Amino acid sequence: AQKITQTQPGMFVQEKEAVTLDCTYDTSDPSYGLFWYKQPSSGEMIFLIYQGSYDQQNATEGRYSLNFQKARKSANLVISASQLGDSAMYFCAMREKRTGANNLFFGTGTRLTVIP
Amino acid sequence: ETGVTQSPTHLIKTRGQQVTLRCSSQSGHNTVSWYQQALGQGPQFIFQYYREEENGRGNFPPRFSGLQFPNYSSELNVNALELDDSALYLCASSLQSSGGADIQYFGAGTRLSVL
Repeated sequence: AQKITQTQPGMFVQEKEAVTLDCTYDTSDPSYGLFWYKQPSSGEMIFLIYQGSYDQQNATEGRYSLNFQKARKSANLVISASQLGDSAMYFCAMREKRTGANNLFFGTGTRLTVIP
Repeated sequence: ETGVTQSPTHLIKTRGQQVTLRCSSQSGHNTVSWYQQALGQGPQFIFQYYREEENGRGNFPPRFSGLQFPNYSSELNVNALELDDSALYLCASSLQSSGGADIQYFGAGTRLSVL
């Protein structure tokens, strides 16, 4: 089974509007972390936001917020007030504490295009 | 800027050759992870080094090997290159701590083409 599922291969959003990128995950580990990364065409993965499985509040970082619904195993990224520079690939990732290693499992990504 | 640098940025090799990719981790970080990202896919975990020891390995054959040096920089070596090894290779550094988020910060990657 896939550990991270991103069902939206591509999304379009009007500049200054908000957009939600979907992510569902699968784990039996009670302790895990969820991450979102942005990958522009240059290739570098840019860390955006983190949510721990025991965190009570949804994470926020500037225009990014994470809609964490633990019972549904979803961790959607919300980008508010979209900018042209937000056009990129977005990857959801998970780390399970039980593995011992700090490795991330990534989804297949969503390509976001911001329209002027 | 994450402070993680990778070299070279691009590389072309032929099948059967060997390649070494290099990564300098962010200052203060003690862990380096390597990922392979094929075109149109998410990154796949190759292995991780923590304080110069391998600390986990993904589903990659032994011809993928690595090193971490005392300054926490790292190398990824791939022997007997195959066409399917063509990919973007990403290095990430982090500070492994008990109970922390252990956020991984990535370099810009090395794009390897195997002909």
